[in-house]
Amino acid sequence: AQSVTQLDSQVPVFEEAPVELRCNYSSSVSVYLFWYVQYPNQGLQLLLKYLSGSTLVKGINGFEAEFNKSQTSFHLRKPSVHISDTAEYFCAVSSNTGNQFYFGTGTSLTVIP
Amino acid sequence: GAGVSQSPRYKVTKRGQDVALRCDPISGHVSLYWYRQALGQGPEFLTYFNYEAQQDKSGLPNDRFSAERPEGSISTLTIQRTEQRDSAMYRCASSLGGGNQPQHFGDGTRLSIL
Repeated sequence: AQSVTQLDSQVPVFEEAPVELRCNYSSSVSVYLFWYVQYPNQGLQLLLKYLSGSTLVKGINGFEAEFNKSQTSFHLRKPSVHISDTAEYFCAVSSNTGNQFYFGTGTSLTVIP
Repeated sequence: GAGVSQSPRYKVTKRGQDVALRCDPISGHVSLYWYRQALGQGPEFLTYFNYEAQQDKSGLPNDRFSAERPEGSISTLTIQRTEQRDSAMYRCASSLGGGNQPQHFGDGTRLSIL
């Protein structure tokens, strides 16, 4: 089975500053990795995904993430955040041995004007 | 619309009543998933279907919870004899199938048990 750890439950950051949201996973098989964003009272929206190939993955809204197999990490980054980026962010892992997704507990990003 | 649709959006009921939550997935999506999400937590897996077949129900908390997808499209999650601890956001997602396919989520059903 796989699991995901998001160590930072809350991350406050000033507008236009860079941000990194951390995600570490554990798995005994090859993984697929995803980041989702959840705005208040809405469902989860896919930000980006890593399936294979280039370890740097670019997503929507200027976000990117880097898959690091040796560190078992998939940290999410944005060079300059906007107020509209305030939301809950979830990292998820799955594998080619099954359909199930495992989600982290989420990181609440608050952008301060 | 073209997304995953869940109904009702909110459900308030008394303890002991049965509730049925509905999920209408994206057309053509093979896999359908049910999750429960507590406040401040990530989605917790309950069960999933490929077409009409329930592939994994290991996340269902107890035998009061059941799910079906009889025609391989719309799914219903049923909770019998509800308890206050069942209060949560229940989310449905669908995908083309396989661990490499992203899941597309509905807006959820907020269930409150009085």
